[in-house]
Amino acid sequence: EPEVTQTPSHQVTQMGQEVILRCVPISNHLYFYWYRQILGQKVEFLVSFYNNEISEKSEIFDDQFSVERPDGSNFTLKIRSTKLEDSAMYFCASSQRTSGSYGFFGPGTRLTVL
Amino acid sequence: KNEVEQSPQNLTAQEGEFITINCSYSVGISALHWLQQHPGGGIVSLFMLSSGKKKHGRLIATINIQEKHSSLHITASHPRDSAVYICAVGRETSGSRLTFGEGTQLTVNP
Repeated sequence: EPEVTQTPSHQVTQMGQEVILRCVPISNHLYFYWYRQILGQKVEFLVSFYNNEISEKSEIFDDQFSVERPDGSNFTLKIRSTKLEDSAMYFCASSQRTSGSYGFFGPGTRLTVL
Repeated sequence: KNEVEQSPQNLTAQEGEFITINCSYSVGISALHWLQQHPGGGIVSLFMLSSGKKKHGRLIATINIQEKHSSLHITASHPRDSAVYICAVGRETSGSRLTFGEGTQLTVNP
């Protein structure tokens, strides 16, 4: 069964450092998403990406965040200068269509900012 | 007030019991999703609904668009059903953004 993969599974970084979280969406999917979940809190939408551009982003997704699809398979989330409050589980997801479509989630990357 | 409210927050059941988790939302939606999050953190999509009812094995999801309410039922519950169940909605006005509920922590005891 096709699946979304994410690397690394756990990333530890120092405050102020840049991190790149990587995702490989399902190959025939067209819509890509990043969500985050701070420990003990609900999942929050960060950004959606379609046709090589951001289609929607939340208030959380400020100038410190960027997304890219550098090749035909990877989808990355970059945080330029990490803050303590960026510590969270980051989930990538992909779907064939928008929110009316069944989405597949990756296993998540746990980011710890020290 | 949250746009997506789930109840109960926590639910403990004995193996074999019938379980219901409720979700109410306050916005116009294009679809409602039920997700399952395991203790390790991974999220699995269970159902996507825009009307009516869907069934998959022992899981049943229903939605009432007029009342802005959905329920997830688990029949003959089993300890392996223990997880957090999350309701999320895709808004009519937003093509791609999901808004999530807080989740319901289900524990099924043998």
